[in-house]
Amino acid sequence: DAKTTQPPSMDCAEGRAANLPCNHSTISGNEYVYWYRQIHSQGPQYIIHGLKNNETNEMASLIITEDRKSSTLILPHATLRDTAVYYCIVPSKEGNLIFGKGTKLSVKP
Amino acid sequence: KAGVTQTPRYLIKTRGQQVTLSCSPISGHRSVSWYQQTPGQGLQFLFEYFSETQRNKGNFPGRFSGRQFSNSRSEMNVSTLELGDSALYLCASSLGPRPNPPYEQYFGPGTRLTVT
Repeated sequence: DAKTTQPPSMDCAEGRAANLPCNHSTISGNEYVYWYRQIHSQGPQYIIHGLKNNETNEMASLIITEDRKSSTLILPHATLRDTAVYYCIVPSKEGNLIFGKGTKLSVKP
Repeated sequence: KAGVTQTPRYLIKTRGQQVTLSCSPISGHRSVSWYQQTPGQGLQFLFEYFSETQRNKGNFPGRFSGRQFSNSRSEMNVSTLELGDSALYLCASSLGPRPNPPYEQYFGPGTRLTVT
């Protein structure tokens, strides 16, 4: 089973920041948090991952709380092309990605 | 750098037949994983290969099998197809095996298999 909990859906206005929350209260000290997204009928796309510190790349920022029990993915200026299902994942001990249901983000004009 | 490629993109088979799907990873990537995606079960891990060896396997029946070649290309085979095998089959590649330092996985576009 997935080790994370995400809201099933969220809306965001185009051009605004999209903040996607994720709870992973059972995460252990050496487990990473990964974010992927899947645009309809395409393969999932890697976004970002982190352990303890906040991370930023060209796609997004990842904010991890100090106790590591939750994190937030931030898309700073959402566009219509960011409409997708976003998955927050803590891999299994074997390192496999266990996908939950994710959050369906709808970016609206 | 070219991404992960999967062939064929679409496939229609009948019950009882078998099917082979192919995946070419990103150049330099040695780990290949396979996933099945259905509306009911979502994305589920099938198996992972590294250096021609299966390292991890998900909870799927023995009808699902795979292999990896010396050039890291991988195939998966499903024998005695059932209606429930209709799904999007996704392949993902990464630099190295898991659970070593986190290697992000890059997914291909998938093969849409329809079993009639």
